[in-house]
Amino acid sequence: RKEVEQDPGPFNVPEGATVAFNCTYSNSASQSFFWYRQDCRKEPKLLMSVYSSGNEDGRFTAQLNRASQYISLLIRDSKLSDSATYLCVVNQKGGGNKLTFGTGTQLKVEL
Amino acid sequence: DTEVTQTPKHLVMGMTNKKSLKCEQHMGHRAMYWYKQKAKKPPELMFVYSYEKLSINESVPSRFSPECPNSSLLNLHLHALQPEDSALYLCASSPSGTGVIMNTEAFFGQGTRLTVV
Repeated sequence: RKEVEQDPGPFNVPEGATVAFNCTYSNSASQSFFWYRQDCRKEPKLLMSVYSSGNEDGRFTAQLNRASQYISLLIRDSKLSDSATYLCVVNQKGGGNKLTFGTGTQLKVEL
Repeated sequence: DTEVTQTPKHLVMGMTNKKSLKCEQHMGHRAMYWYKQKAKKPPELMFVYSYEKLSINESVPSRFSPECPNSSLLNLHLHALQPEDSALYLCASSPSGTGVIMNTEAFFGQGTRLTVV
């Protein structure tokens, strides 16, 4: 089983749609969780950290379920500019900061 | 300044060449990373430096040699690479090294696109 798993997609959605991405992680000792966004041929950029209580930033909502080892990202009112690959990232404490990336989920928002 | 700067942006090298990738950050971050990313794949961790000491080596071949001269700089020395080593090499930094408080979101440089011929 991979350490961090995501549905690779692609998710093709119309502009204005709501879309949800899921991520599961295998190491129960994982401590920090993030969603990154990566545009084609660019570096990953932090979208948001994921907190146990859930958190929201504008159109983006992240949720964490430690019991199920599951993280989600909800995007409301999708924009064309949201088209990118969304990477789930998990930090596994121990021996330094080991940030492990999921395989990424590709989103294409269409007119 | 929330930048991680990598040089060069592009590099073409032969299999017998020796070259170095450079990374710099001035955010006072104490953890720095090298990642390798192949096309349509996620970044794969290679090395982690925490407080200027190598803390993680993900079984990377010795033809890749990291160096952390000081808390702001991270180098990756390349020697006798293979064509399959062609990839985007990403440097990242995060605020804390080890410790109880995990403030570990990482900031990435734009990467060096390496082609081995």
